[in-house]
Amino acid sequence: DAGVIQSPRHEVTEMGQEVTLRCKPISGHNSLFWYRQTMMRGLELLIYFNNNVPIDDSGMPEDRFSAKMPNASFSTLKIQPSEPRDSAVYFCASSLNTDKYFGPGTRLTVT
Amino acid sequence: SQQGEEDPQALSIQEGENATMNCSYKTSINNLQWYRQNSGRGLVHLILIRSNEREKHSGRLRVTLDTSKKSSSLLITASRAADTASYFCATEWNEKLTFGTGTRLTIIP
Repeated sequence: DAGVIQSPRHEVTEMGQEVTLRCKPISGHNSLFWYRQTMMRGLELLIYFNNNVPIDDSGMPEDRFSAKMPNASFSTLKIQPSEPRDSAVYFCASSLNTDKYFGPGTRLTVT
Repeated sequence: SQQGEEDPQALSIQEGENATMNCSYKTSINNLQWYRQNSGRGLVHLILIRSNEREKHSGRLRVTLDTSKKSSSLLITASRAADTASYFCATEWNEKLTFGTGTRLTIIP
């Protein structure tokens, strides 16, 4: 298995632009998580899905952030409009039971 | 918000020595997990200890859990240069994983 796949690996965009991050979980996993990592705040859970349904989005910072999981093999995290303070590494993780497997992350820079 | 606090924030030891990292948390947990993150990379799951367990071993790793003190420790024995990384504890409750602040471990060859 290729593990959790995230794209793009790096994204540089200007403030105000829309950004879409993508994640392909490990086949057969039924839970998917989006995390954000910054120096100031560490690793924060943004949202997680179980069987493609959003279970807890209390970590989503504000309405500019939205996440979807249209099917079991794909999820997106969208930021519209982006701001410099959104600069971070965004990780996607998937799990079947307890063990969570993280993707390599997307490093987002908003200028 | 982050639940776990880890200490030390940074640790440098000679290769071959043992490294101990501590983690404290504040609320109820189903289990506690430790992850490693190499610079610029994703997180790798190392070991999980359930709330009804007190100690667990995996290779050179030993994890303890004291739920009365809400604390855990990770011991890496006979450290190697390749162990240089950041180590995070994470508490799980109802599938939500909350990470600590991390310990930056440097192994000096």
